[in-house]
Parts: sequence; structure tokens; C-alpha cells
Amino acid sequence: QPVLTQSSSASASLGSSVKLTCTLSSGHSSYIIAWHQQQPGKAPRYLMKLEGSGSYNKGSGVPDRFSGSSSGADRYLTISNLQSEDEADYYCETWDSNFQVFGGGTKLTVL
Amino acid sequence: EVQLVESGGGLVKPGGSLRLSCAASGFTFSSYSMNWVRQAPGKGLEWVSSISSSSSYIYYADSVKGRFTISRDNAKNSLYLQMNSLRAEDTAVYYCARADSSGMTVDYWGQGTLVTVSS
Repeated sequence: QPVLTQSSSASASLGSSVKLTCTLSSGHSSYIIAWHQQQPGKAPRYLMKLEGSGSYNKGSGVPDRFSGSSSGADRYLTISNLQSEDEADYYCETWDSNFQVFGGGTKLTVL
Repeated sequence: EVQLVESGGGLVKPGGSLRLSCAASGFTFSSYSMNWVRQAPGKGLEWVSSISSSSSYIYYADSVKGRFTISRDNAKNSLYLQMNSLRAEDTAVYYCARADSSGMTVDYWGQGTLVTVSS
């Protein structure tokens, strides 16, 4: 069963860039993941699906400021030109044959 | 526009039952696998259950196996979660979530419905 590891928190300044990491457990480094954003008090929102090759497909309406990349077992979400509305929890998700798995989430603070 | 609208949440006593519903619109419901995902207060997301497009494949998290039952009615564009033998630790916001066309990850979320299990 894959395990997804995320840092509990991150912070960056308004207008800067931040790169969030989701690490797949040993033996699962090729897995596809998805990134989701959850703003305070709201439901999660799908951002993108990200492959091990680094190829990604974003959801409808997701700004160009959001991009994805991969390196080995690590999957990254980069947010450029940070806005105040980007302050949120970010979760990665993957899938195995019988279940979905979520990472613990990263709380992003925009300074 | 894809819409998922949950209903049926509320306050229930430990050991009680509740049935959640999710009304889907804006897409061909019968072509997609669906999920229930929950979030306890102040905690992260936890997958609960999945059902394939034709109900042929159904899966549960170990934490709810034997107590929860997922089902769907493709004629009514609706997803359900029957929750029995509820425990305090089942207290959470429950989200209806569509799996993408590959069935591998979630690509749309509902707004959630709160279930509180307390005496």
C-alpha cells in the first residue's frame, strides 16, 4: 500500500514562489498522484494530476501559476506569484488497486 | 458544469445509523466511479469508500468495513452511503467525490455534509 508523505507546513511571501513536496513510499515511485487545494472553511478543489514523468493535467479553471513536476519518488506542486487566496491546505492523493490514499496535507501560509 | 450535492448529515447517537446522499449533475454519472471521503474536525482527508460505474467493484477503508455500505442509482444520478453502528470517531464532514475517467484519482468534490456522532 502506497504512503504519501508531506511536510506539515510551508510559508512564502506574497508574490514569490513556493514548491510543495509529496513523497511516495518505497516501491511506489512510479505512481500517478493528484494535488488538491482546500481553502479555509471550504471543500477541497482538484488542481492537477501529475505523472512520474512530470507531465501534468490541470483541472478546469486552475490558474497558470500552478504547475507540477516530478523527480524519482517526489511529486511537486509549484505556485508562482503567490496570492493571498493561495493560503490553504494542499493534499496529494494516489490510488492503488482497491483504495485511495491521501497525504497528511501541507498548510501553506502566505506572508 | 459538474455538481455534486451531499445531504443527509446531522447529529446521531453512538450506535445509530444515518444515510448520506449525493446528487450528481453536469456529467454522465453512469460512466464514472465515485468515492466518499471524510474529514474529521481539524484533520486531513480520509478515503472512506469507492464504487465503480456499474457497482461491480466496491471497496471500503478498514475503519468502516462492515459498518458502512456504499451504493448508487444511475437512473437517479445519485450516490449513497449507509452508515450503521456509528462511533464518535466517525464524526466528520463527508464529501462525495468523482473519480476521473481513469478511475484513479478524484477530479471533482462536493461541498460536504457534516455528521456528528455524540450522545
